[in-house]
Amino acid sequence: SQQGEEDPQALSIQEGENATMNCSYKTSINNLQWYRQNSGRGLVHLILIRSNEREKHSGRLRVTLDTSKKSSSLLITASRAADTASYFCAVALRMEYGNKLVFGAGTILRVKS
Amino acid sequence: DGGITQSPKYLFRKEGQNVTLSCEQNLNHDAMYWYRQDPGQGLRLIYYSQIVNDFQKGDIAEGYSVSREKKESFPLTVTSAQKNPTAFYLCASRQGAKADTQYFGPGTRLTVL
Repeated sequence: SQQGEEDPQALSIQEGENATMNCSYKTSINNLQWYRQNSGRGLVHLILIRSNEREKHSGRLRVTLDTSKKSSSLLITASRAADTASYFCAVALRMEYGNKLVFGAGTILRVKS
Repeated sequence: DGGITQSPKYLFRKEGQNVTLSCEQNLNHDAMYWYRQDPGQGLRLIYYSQIVNDFQKGDIAEGYSVSREKKESFPLTVTSAQKNPTAFYLCASRQGAKADTQYFGPGTRLTVL
């Protein structure tokens, strides 16, 4: 079963509003990452938060991690039409051969101008 | 330009045929990955390779094969044994065993006719 599960599945907001996406997972992790995917394209890494971190910022992105609740959230502030994309969380699990990323099903974000 | 290239972008296959998807990177990354993405779902790991001439099965390896004869190349063959091969295939690479971020190619959309 999937480790990372995003909520909501889809989100539609007006330009300028904030968008919040949540991710829940099941086991201990090394880190949690958020990726973005434009329609029909590859994924682009946005931000990584380690298991010993609680909050991280990058430009208009803010990520939080609560290891006790096994959950993370991604906040995009002052959204723009160009933020329209699918957003995936991925949990990094330690394996014999380095980390393995397990992806959730994603949140589809639509920002209306 | 440094990056990961995948070819072709679109691929059509008749049932019973094997097809090979290309993935090349000039990032000098050690590890390479193949994922499959179905509509509305996250990425699932097919195969991965940490070093040249070595690779391991991921979560859904049945019906697929790979090779890693060169550091920069990690081709994926979808065999006739794969019962439902129509999907979007993504290749990714990672710098080394301690690196966390994966870099993705643009993807190949495979359709079985």
